[in-house]
Amino acid sequence: DQQVKQNSPSLSVQEGRISILNCDYTNSMFDYFLWYKKYPAEGPTFLISISSIKDKNEDGRFTVFLNKSAKHLSLHIVPSQPGDSAVYFCAASANDYKLSFGAGTTVTVRA
Amino acid sequence: GAGVSQSPRYKVAKRGQDVALRCDPISGHVSLFWYQQALGQGPEFLTYFQNEAQLDKSGLPSDRFFAERPEGSVSTLKIQRTQQEDSAVYLCASGGGHNSPLHFGNGTRLTVT
Repeated sequence: DQQVKQNSPSLSVQEGRISILNCDYTNSMFDYFLWYKKYPAEGPTFLISISSIKDKNEDGRFTVFLNKSAKHLSLHIVPSQPGDSAVYFCAASANDYKLSFGAGTTVTVRA
Repeated sequence: GAGVSQSPRYKVAKRGQDVALRCDPISGHVSLFWYQQALGQGPEFLTYFQNEAQLDKSGLPSDRFFAERPEGSVSTLKIQRTQQEDSAVYLCASGGGHNSPLHFGNGTRLTVT
């Protein structure tokens, strides 16, 4: 039972433009949400997180938005850079416990 | 300041062999998780330790899978009588506390032939 879903397996964006990655979840107990970035042959690297008490968190070029009523979160990357080409995983946890991951979205930034 | 270290990076096993995968978490991290990642999928939870106590092993696919963390730091994931469906990347992650992100190692890619 997939509790975290990333419905877009891939995204292609031109360098300098905005990348928007989407994630939906079904478990209303989730209270902490994260985005991880993964390069080939490496483990996932933490990117940004948001607690359920907030609806937005920003860190440099990365902003995560949370819509609890829709059970939806998104990651905005602006401007997109070639080094952003990677697989991005959405993850969520309930009560500070194990993470449930989506299947990932592969982002390709075109020059 | 080393991160989570996993060894070996790659393991090829013949079907039926036993394997042992090692994880060195970040020093001082209480929580340790094992995840399994199949090709094209996100990581799937296997088991969770708090210090040396294994608090959740609900994600282990069968009784051929066994994990331990006897002294509350290094952990070993053992798979007995490996099967082809065990082929995956096994990720270890450690965490520092409340609502702090998990830090992952680079994983061990297991291929069962």
